[in-house]
Amino acid sequence: QMQLQESGPGLVKPSETLSLTCIVSSGSISNSMYSWGWIRQPPGKGLEWIGSIYYSGSRDYNPSLKSRVTISVDTSKNQFSLKLTSVTAADTAMYYCARHPSGGSFVFQIWGQGTMVTVSS
Amino acid sequence: SYDLTQPFSVSVALGQTARITCGGDNIRTKNVHWYQQKSGQAPVLVIYRDNNRPSGIPERVSGSNSGNTATLTISRAQAGDEADYYCQVWDTNSVVFGGGTKLTVL
Repeated sequence: QMQLQESGPGLVKPSETLSLTCIVSSGSISNSMYSWGWIRQPPGKGLEWIGSIYYSGSRDYNPSLKSRVTISVDTSKNQFSLKLTSVTAADTAMYYCARHPSGGSFVFQIWGQGTMVTVSS
Repeated sequence: SYDLTQPFSVSVALGQTARITCGGDNIRTKNVHWYQQKSGQAPVLVIYRDNNRPSGIPERVSGSNSGNTATLTISRAQAGDEADYYCQVWDTNSVVFGGGTKLTVL
């Protein structure tokens, strides 16, 4: 069973860049059947999709975050990454990575356990 | 942007049937997915494409989608069903989640 694991700093200063990595195990990130996404959840609040990267290499981002987000894949390390620039306290959240099928079916089949990121000086 | 509306909370007596709704404009034309999130845990997919269960999800969990409302139904509710539930769709190059519903089993 494929597993996903997020990693990255738990504390980021305001105005800096948040960088997270999702390591994929027990399966290949290059599998054409899958695409990869990031979702976040502020404390006590609901889920918010950040963006996805598809097998083709193209990406879609949440319009509200698009100007600050970059998602990329490193096939040599079997992982994908999230960068969010110019962070503020509003970006404090649990960040999840997830897998969804290629071909336009945006159902998040497998999730990582999540990593908490706090934005504070 | 497309909005999904869920009730903030739903209560159900142990052993009874819980129904959690997800409202959206002509939602019947979209594939609706449902996630269960227990306290302190990552979300888990429980229904995909309106009414399909992933392996490991019991038959007493079902979904439907008609008109402007999709519904997640949990029959014979158990204490272990207490969780937050989120609906989700894809619309115009963006993933949309509902605000979530807290299910309490009494």
